[in-house]
Amino acid sequence: SAVISQKPSRDICQRGTSLTIQCQVDSQVTMMFWYRQQPGQSLTLIATANQGSEATYESGFVIDKFPISRPNLTFSTLTVSNMSPEDSSIYLCSVGREAEQFFGPGTRLTVL
Amino acid sequence: AQSVTQLDSHVSVSEGTPVLLRCNYSSSYSPSLFWYVQHPNKGLQLLLKYTSAATLVKGINGFEAEFKKSETSFHLTKPSAHMSDAAEYFCVVSDGVGGGFKTIFGAGTRLFVKA
Repeated sequence: SAVISQKPSRDICQRGTSLTIQCQVDSQVTMMFWYRQQPGQSLTLIATANQGSEATYESGFVIDKFPISRPNLTFSTLTVSNMSPEDSSIYLCSVGREAEQFFGPGTRLTVL
Repeated sequence: AQSVTQLDSHVSVSEGTPVLLRCNYSSSYSPSLFWYVQHPNKGLQLLLKYTSAATLVKGINGFEAEFKKSETSFHLTKPSAHMSDAAEYFCVVSDGVGGGFKTIFGAGTRLFVKA
């Protein structure tokens, strides 16, 4: 298994600002994933982050809007840039191990 | 390409009656399949998983699911619903691609349990 923590757990931000979400895992993992869950919706994969390489973004998501860092095998950050109310969502970090994924508690973001 | 379809956006049952949440998938590889539950304002909790072992998988809280390759289905069942089962349920498919894997979530099925 894997224990994942995220910071912050929630935040309320003004439009036009940026927020960086941190994800910490209790053990080394190769692949980390960032998801978004908009209100009342399912989870959508934003990007896959491997240590030592650029993140791979899914269709509809771009690096300028959601820059990701992966400095080591236990840590990653996701930045939500130039926020608008449409970015209000829960953002979840996830790690994969043996074809199973483990999820962090999520960061609930509200953009005013 | 992989995809997952949850056939019902909402399911309503009476307490004590059976639960059936339907899921169909498509995958170019031998997939791993999961069911997650999300209670209101709570995190995701893994109910059960199929990873090419026994096709009938038993999970927590009395839930089970059967992998049927011929029907590309992985329906979730429970013999007797409890009020605490009311939540959102997600069917998830995961493939191994290029040494890693990619996970796709279904749209979710909201389960209502009536007293």
